[in-house]
Amino acid sequence: SQQGEEDPQALSIQEGENATMNCSYKTSINNLQWYRQNSGRGLVHLILIRSNEREKHSGRLRVTLDTSKKSSSLLITASRAADTASYFCATARRGGSNYKLTFGKGTLLTVNP
Amino acid sequence: SAVISQKPSRDICQRGTSLTIQCQVDSQVTMMFWYRQQPGQSLTLIATANQGSEATYESGFVIDKFPISRPNLTFSTLTVSNMSPEDSSIYLCSVIPGQETQYFGPGTRLLVL
Repeated sequence: SQQGEEDPQALSIQEGENATMNCSYKTSINNLQWYRQNSGRGLVHLILIRSNEREKHSGRLRVTLDTSKKSSSLLITASRAADTASYFCATARRGGSNYKLTFGKGTLLTVNP
Repeated sequence: SAVISQKPSRDICQRGTSLTIQCQVDSQVTMMFWYRQQPGQSLTLIATANQGSEATYESGFVIDKFPISRPNLTFSTLTVSNMSPEDSSIYLCSVIPGQETQYFGPGTRLLVL
């Protein structure tokens, strides 16, 4: 079953606005990673936040993690048309030699010029 | 990071046939994964392919249908056997070159008629 659930499923904004996407998960994690996918192509890694971190920044991206609520958010500031893509959160769990990255359903972001 | 290539990038196949997808990484990695992304869906882990051991399959995926080879630390293959239209998906290989961040290949887009 899916570990992460993104919300909203689809988001449409105007260029220059900020976009916020949320992700909830069910079990304990080692880290949470956000990815971008353009039109069914390969995934681009955006940012990783560890379970002991609360916030990380990378350029126009800001990610928060609340382990007590089992949720994360991705904020894209000053959006551009080129940010139009599907965004996925994925939770990583490691147990011994086992490792698994489980994906949420994704948010389709459309940035209108 | 890691540079991952996949072959073929896309293919159209007849039902009942098999297709082998190759994944090549530009550095030696222990952990390699194969994912499936059905149309309009998120990514689902098929199996973990660590060099020197048998692949570990997730629930719902079996070796007879998705045999995997991992002959060395830079290469792996996934075969989709006895294909049906339900196998039409994007198949992605993925690696963890360091400790945490997981990178994905460009994917193989498969259409089964």
